[in-house]
Amino acid sequence: KAGVTQTPRYLIKTRGQQVTLSCSPISGHRSVSWYQQTPGQGLQFLFEYFSETQRNKGNFPGRFSGRQFSNSRSEMNVSTLELGDSALYLCASSLDSRENYGYTFGSGTRLTVV
Amino acid sequence: KNQVEQSPQSLIILEGKNCTLQCNYTVSPFSNLRWYKQDTGRGPVSLTIMTFSENTKSNGRYTATLDADTKQSSLHITASQLSDSASYICVVSGKGNAGKSTFGDGTTLTVKP
Repeated sequence: KAGVTQTPRYLIKTRGQQVTLSCSPISGHRSVSWYQQTPGQGLQFLFEYFSETQRNKGNFPGRFSGRQFSNSRSEMNVSTLELGDSALYLCASSLDSRENYGYTFGSGTRLTVV
Repeated sequence: KNQVEQSPQSLIILEGKNCTLQCNYTVSPFSNLRWYKQDTGRGPVSLTIMTFSENTKSNGRYTATLDADTKQSSLHITASQLSDSASYICVVSGKGNAGKSTFGDGTTLTVKP
């Protein structure tokens, strides 16, 4: 079965711009979580969506937002980009993150802000 | 505050040798613990997932153990290969804490020929 698909794989943006990243979960998975990973840093939780509702949120500024569609696909938006937003953004899908199901991660979107 | 601490931070071993990575956590109440392998620039790939009642789980040359009493887990890699060079991440989820799992900072393993 197809895995978690993230698009685009690479992105270069200018400071002050905004960006939208996309994540298509595994078919049947209703939970999608987003993470930021910077060089030398661990995975930082951004937010989680389940059945189109944001169920949990990490400690990121309001410039980071997301949404989930009825087909479980999710998008993440970052407005007014800063240099520090350069990172690997990962999404993970699960049947239901509240149960003991594992997450399946996508390959990530590498965002570079210049 | 829920925390997950992994040790060592980095490790270099020779091909064919065994190694053990450690994960200590304070997450409570505990739901499950997962080990992931992450190659550079790629997304993490699940190795094992263990719940409270499971002590050991294997996936090929990878064997994870869990001691829920002491809140410790280990990942043992046997007969290491060059392809094992990666970051290994321990993730602990608490009950009722949907999606907000606590991630360790990972152990970077380098396997040299």
